[in-house]
Amino acid sequence: HVQLQESGPGLVRPSETLSLTCSVSGYSINSGFYWGWIRQPPGEGLEWIGNIYHSGTTYYNPSLKSRVTISLDPSKNQFSLKLTSMTAADMAFYYCARAEFWSGFDYWGQGALVTVSS
Amino acid sequence: QSVLTQPPSVSGAPGQRVTISCTGSSSNIGAGYDVHWYQQLPGAAPRLLIFGYTNRQSGVPDRFSGSKSGTSASLAITGLQAEDEGDYYCQSYDSGLSSSAIFGGGTKLTVL
Repeated sequence: HVQLQESGPGLVRPSETLSLTCSVSGYSINSGFYWGWIRQPPGEGLEWIGNIYHSGTTYYNPSLKSRVTISLDPSKNQFSLKLTSMTAADMAFYYCARAEFWSGFDYWGQGALVTVSS
Repeated sequence: QSVLTQPPSVSGAPGQRVTISCTGSSSNIGAGYDVHWYQQLPGAAPRLLIFGYTNRQSGVPDRFSGSKSGTSASLAITGLQAEDEGDYYCQSYDSGLSSSAIFGGGTKLTVL
């Protein structure tokens, strides 16, 4: 049974960098699939941040591309998100998820709420 | 404003049928990218219901079904139940946005 779990600080100061990690169990991230990050401001809709393929190839939302880095750590079966220059507009629930090529996201983490405040 | 357009809200009484539309364009649905549907219950993460327009994810009741028409897709829910109340999102990809994944704005389903 595939499970994903986000971890990281719940509070980030303005202008700082958000770092989140997604731990995957029940499936080796080296074996295939795309591994992605999606966020959702409280009370609002879903926004795709980016995906990383098991080979390491990355795909980013053009509106966030200049601030986003997604990477893999196969030794820990984890993948990570870094988002620089955080502002109040980046406050959201951040979800990690798995997707097949051009398909839907079939497994999701429970989400991590990130607040931006000094 | 989302690239995929959904109605903000729909409602229906228990046992009734409701449909949720998802309208795209020539750079996403019209370009051949599939549409997928998610259910998000209050306080929970999204759950994949339908992939590839019409395929139910494992464990999803057959009360949920999807269809395609031109550059639009629809999600139908029959035999509406109180536990279906929540938000529903469509998702696809867009060639005009470097093949980015895109979501509709979401539709809130209220069971009367």
